[in-house]
Amino acid sequence: DQQVKQNSPSLSVQEGRISILNCDYTNSMFDYFLWYKKYPAEGPTFLISISSIKDKNEDGRFTVFLNKSAKHLSLHIVPSQPGDSAVYFCAASERSGYSTLTFGKGTMLLVSP
Amino acid sequence: GAGVSQSPRYKVAKRGQDVALRCDPISGHVSLFWYQQALGQGPEFLTYFQNEAQLDKSGLPSDRFFAERPEGSVSTLKIQRTQQEDSAVYLCASSFLGGGAGLSYNEQFFGPGTRLTVL
Repeated sequence: DQQVKQNSPSLSVQEGRISILNCDYTNSMFDYFLWYKKYPAEGPTFLISISSIKDKNEDGRFTVFLNKSAKHLSLHIVPSQPGDSAVYFCAASERSGYSTLTFGKGTMLLVSP
Repeated sequence: GAGVSQSPRYKVAKRGQDVALRCDPISGHVSLFWYQQALGQGPEFLTYFQNEAQLDKSGLPSDRFFAERPEGSVSTLKIQRTQQEDSAVYLCASSFLGGGAGLSYNEQFFGPGTRLTVL
């Protein structure tokens, strides 16, 4: 069973608009959540994270929202830029572990000019 | 550069062949992780090292998979008698510290991966 789910394989957005990428999880032991961005032929690059004690974390154009009761998080990118086009992975970690990451399948974001 | 490097970047193997994939973590990073990413999937955890100690190998899919980090720096993932289902991108990541109860999370830095194709 997938513990981290990204149900949208792809998303297309126009430049300047908001991109919203969604992620759901099932494991109640997860207490740290991350978003990674991946370009073709490169490894994932850390983008932004949030601890379970918060419901929002903002870094420039990127904001992550966490709804613990719904076991749902989302990444907002505003305004979207063509350079944001990439695959975005949601990942989660348990504090009690070794920070091993459990990833979703990813969402491919395409931002068109 | 100062990032995580992996070699080779691409490897084509015939079924039944043994392969060895190398990871050079960021200097000074204590923790090292291996992940397997199949086509269309997210990375999946294989194994974890803290310095030279392999503390978790629960994600290794079979006893054909073996990983080592003998001096607590470079790590090698070895796959014996490769099968077609082993075809994937193998990602290595390192972090300064591990996680654990009471500790803040430490960001993992990923290498570019090795794409293994087994014919």
